[in-house]
Parts: sequence; C-alpha cells; structure tokens
Amino acid sequence: AQSVSQHNHHVILSEAASLELGCNYSYGGTVNLFWYVQYPGQHLQLLLKYFSGDPLVKGIKGFEAEFIKSKFSFNLRKPSVQWSDTAEYFCAVNPLNTGGFKTIFGAGTRLFVKA
Amino acid sequence: GAGVSQSPSNKVTEKGKDVELRCDPISGHTALYWYRQSLGQGLEFLIYFQGNSAPDKSGLPSDRFSAERTGGSVSTLTIQRTQQEDSAVYLCASSLGQGGRRETQYFGPGTRLLVL
Repeated sequence: AQSVSQHNHHVILSEAASLELGCNYSYGGTVNLFWYVQYPGQHLQLLLKYFSGDPLVKGIKGFEAEFIKSKFSFNLRKPSVQWSDTAEYFCAVNPLNTGGFKTIFGAGTRLFVKA
Repeated sequence: GAGVSQSPSNKVTEKGKDVELRCDPISGHTALYWYRQSLGQGLEFLIYFQGNSAPDKSGLPSDRFSAERTGGSVSTLTIQRTQQEDSAVYLCASSLGQGGRRETQYFGPGTRLLVL
C-alpha cells in the first residue's frame, strides 16, 4: 500500500537551530508533494509544494524542501528556526495515477522551538 | 475570498447517536475531500468528490460512514450509530478540480467530534 513516513514524531530545538524533517514515500510513479503546517489553534495550511521542475522548492517563512526522486524523499528544511515555528508539520503525497486527487499524509512531526 | 468552512466547530454526542458534519468548499472548487485526524495520528483520507464523477469512498472506515455532496457544492459527512473510536477532528478540504499537477488542497478549520 502507498504510504508516507515521517521520521520523527517530536522534535525539540532551540531558536536559531537548523531544522530538517524527513519524509519518505512509497510510490514509484509520478507524484505531487506537499508540506502542510498546523500552528497551535489554527487549521492546516500549505507550507510549500512540488509539482515539477526544480527539485528544490521554497515556501513561506523561509522553509524549503528538496525532492530527491531516487530516494523517494521530500525533506523539509529551515536554516534557523524561530519560536513561532512551533507547530505540527505534515508531509503529503498525491500519486498522479489517481488524477492528483487522493492524498496520503504522513503521521506528522510536532516541532517545539524553545525561546 | 472566503475559505473552506465547516460546521459545527465542536460536537459532543452520545454513543449510538447519528451525527452530521457540514462542509462548504471554496466557491468554484469542484473537488472536495474529507479526512479524519485522530489524536496523535496523521490525516486519514475518508472520501473525495470530483465534479459529477462517482466519489472515491475507499477511505471510509465502515458502512456507518457516508457522505454526500449536493449541487456540486456543500457536502455532509454522516456518521451513524457513533462509537467512541469515532472521536476525532474531521477535516474538509477543497481544490480546483483540474487534476494532474495543479491540485492544491485548502483546508477548513475542522469539526472536533467527541463521542461519550
């Protein structure tokens, strides 16, 4: 079955530390890739997305992610986190053989940034 | 413009009762999705609607769950004979519905369901 694995369930960092959240998926075909973020008390919102082209994509708030096709990975990075980045982060995959509609989400990674 | 809206925002019910959750997608979006987010779990796909096509119900966990979409817009997710394990946040999302490489989903605030 298709799945999305996020390597860490909880991450605790100090402000200014660098962040990398891992995401791997098990699907061999063409995919759309997403990272969503859910800040405390807010609803899920799009952080960044990869459809095609440059495998390094930049999103809001200084986040970026790199699609490595050979590794089936789409890791999220930020060079210097802030307290306001405390949130839950979800990686998601649309296999395009479903028309790009059906989305599989990872279990999420809770990030806590210490001020 | 208005985003995806859901109602109610919170619902407390007793085991065995039926509940209906409502979703209003973004105007002009033809694709609509329902997900379930249980405590400590990721988002679990339940069902999606795309235009006039038959919905993909492959994620519905049991026949107690059903959903409909009237007039290609508003959707209702119904859970019959609720069980305590149905307690979760139910999220709705919508997208343009063009398919292929253009589908970005926009999420509503969710309905938090608690079954006592």
